[in-house]
Amino acid sequence: DAGVTQSPTHLIKTRGQQVTLRCSPKSGHDTVSWYQQALGQGPQFIFQYYEEEERQRGNFPDRFSGHQFPNYSSELNVNALLLGDSALYLCASSLWDRAPHFGNGTRLTVT
Amino acid sequence: AQRVTQPEKLLSVFKGAPVELKCNYSYSGSPELFWYVQYSRQRLQLLLRHISRESIKGFTADLNKGETSFHLKKPFAQEEDSAMYYCALLYNTDKLIFGTGTRLQVFP
Repeated sequence: DAGVTQSPTHLIKTRGQQVTLRCSPKSGHDTVSWYQQALGQGPQFIFQYYEEEERQRGNFPDRFSGHQFPNYSSELNVNALLLGDSALYLCASSLWDRAPHFGNGTRLTVT
Repeated sequence: AQRVTQPEKLLSVFKGAPVELKCNYSYSGSPELFWYVQYSRQRLQLLLRHISRESIKGFTADLNKGETSFHLKKPFAQEEDSAMYYCALLYNTDKLIFGTGTRLQVFP
């Protein structure tokens, strides 16, 4: 079982650019959540996808958007990147009423 | 508002000493709480879930609704316990609210 996989592992972008991060959930999981972890902070919930729809959203601007595909994999898109978007982006997958499992994350640096 | 507080950024103990990592929460409903652990260069891993009442790697945590706490305890710390520990509250069934984490350092 590969667990939750994320790509890429590291990414460097310039302010104003757009970025797409990818996540494959743990086998058998149907729900994908995205979290942002700034340096020295705990992960912050961005949004969650289930049955290809955004089910919940945290306190993040519309520049953050996502998608879930029929195979349950997911993408996180961030437009108009700001320096403050530099962080570790974590994907977590779960089944109903089960604890989320996390991937290794994508380290995004915005310069 | 829902909130998880971990008051200690760093906790240092010697091997064999007892460990208690503190976690307090603010939530008006019936809480579901977790402890996640992140070892160096590894992903966040689930350590404990309060409804399962398991003991994992010698760690236990009891939910105290009166004190709104979910402290993580281990009677005898091991060097391999050195890691970052996060307490988290499950909100609206699926959204985890994390504390800022406590780094545990266990010295030989």
